[in-house]
Amino acid sequence: GAGVSQTPSNKVTEKGKYVELRCDPISGHTALYWYRQSLGQGPEFLIYFQGTGAADDSGLPNDRFFAVRPEGSVSTLKIQRTERGDSAVYLCASSLKPGTSGYNEQFFGPGTRLTVL
Amino acid sequence: AQSVTQLDSHVSVSEGTPVLLRCNYSSSYSPSLFWYVQHPNKGLQLLLKYTSAATLVKGINGFEAEFKKSETSFHLTKPSAHMSDAAEYFCVVSDTGFQKLVFGTGTRLLVSP
Repeated sequence: GAGVSQTPSNKVTEKGKYVELRCDPISGHTALYWYRQSLGQGPEFLIYFQGTGAADDSGLPNDRFFAVRPEGSVSTLKIQRTERGDSAVYLCASSLKPGTSGYNEQFFGPGTRLTVL
Repeated sequence: AQSVTQLDSHVSVSEGTPVLLRCNYSSSYSPSLFWYVQHPNKGLQLLLKYTSAATLVKGINGFEAEFKKSETSFHLTKPSAHMSDAAEYFCVVSDTGFQKLVFGTGTRLLVSP
């Protein structure tokens, strides 16, 4: 079956611009996560959705970062006034509803590589 | 807070020899631990997971890991390396709800013919 998909695969933008990154989770997965992976580092948690609501956004670095999931499926990560330090691979993952058998595995998409010039 | 430390940034082995990737964890409660693999230009894939059942966990592609509470370790092993095992490997600890994964810095496994 289809896995987690992310678009675009690559995004190059200029400092100060606004960008949106999209994630399509696995069908039927109610939980969705965003992570950021800087060069040479492991992924770092940004935000977690259960359904439409952000259950934990403690990883968002500042108020330039925002994410939505209006219908409980597709999610968009939005970054305002991009800075060069935002350059990284942004990963999305999804999982089954807590309490469901197998819910403790997160399935990752291929990521969006964001480059801020 | 939970954390993991991967003790080697790079590990080089020859094809057919054993693989050992080392990971130590820190957690204030009984942790859930995972190993993920990341091949170039591909998404992270779960190799195996420990969630307080058997301490020796078997995963995909012949990998296994042993949870040792006394040593706070969760090392990944494989008896015989294949060329296709060359990739980045991440040791991961999660919070109690499996909602927030905390990744190590990764170990790059190089396999030579």
